Amino acid sequence: NAGVTQTPKFRVLKTGQSMTLLCAQDMNHEYMYWYRQDPGMGLRLIHYSVGEGTTAKGEVPDGYNVSRLKKQNFLLGLESAAPSQTSVYFCASSYSHRQLSSYEQYFGPGTRLTVT
Amino acid sequence: AQRVTQPEKLLSVFKGAPVELKCNYSYSGSPELFWYVQYSRQRLQLLLRHISRESIKGFTADLNKGETSFHLKKPFAQEEDSAMYYCALRGGRGGSNYKLTFGKGTLLTVNP
Repeated sequence: NAGVTQTPKFRVLKTGQSMTLLCAQDMNHEYMYWYRQDPGMGLRLIHYSVGEGTTAKGEVPDGYNVSRLKKQNFLLGLESAAPSQTSVYFCASSYSHRQLSSYEQYFGPGTRLTVT
Repeated sequence: AQRVTQPEKLLSVFKGAPVELKCNYSYSGSPELFWYVQYSRQRLQLLLRHISRESIKGFTADLNKGETSFHLKKPFAQEEDSAMYYCALRGGRGGSNYKLTFGKGTLLTVNP
């Protein structure tokens, strides 16, 4: 099993450009999450999904959109990138309560995004 | 509201010395606490969770509900323990609270 994978690993954008980050998991997890990691700020939840076709806002959703068309994929979109969105983005997934009592989250390797 | 506080951004110890990474939380109910570790340029991975009462890589953590703390301890630090450590909280057992709240992290450096 590959676990949680993220594409791309690195990206440099100019202000105003758009892009989509792809997260894929092969563990049949129902829940998926997008975080951003910034120095001194820890991990902050951007958006999450509790199942195919459903998404919800996390702590810092502004400037981002997400979609979960397939259970195994969770996409994070930046419609008009800003320098404040320079960060490392991590995707994670977990079983649901119905699948397993543990909510351990499994993380992807991260995407390092720079917006100039 | 749930909150996790890691008061130390940086912690530096010598190899063989004891290490304690502090974590305090704020939550009115019964929380589930975790420690995640991130080695240099790697993904976050679960180190341990309080409900398992386990020791991983020599680390232990005990949930102290009276002091609302979940400090991570190791009696003899090793250089390979150098990493960023995150404390995380999930509010409530079971049910629908599946989101984790992370602290800001503590960067541990173990010097030779």
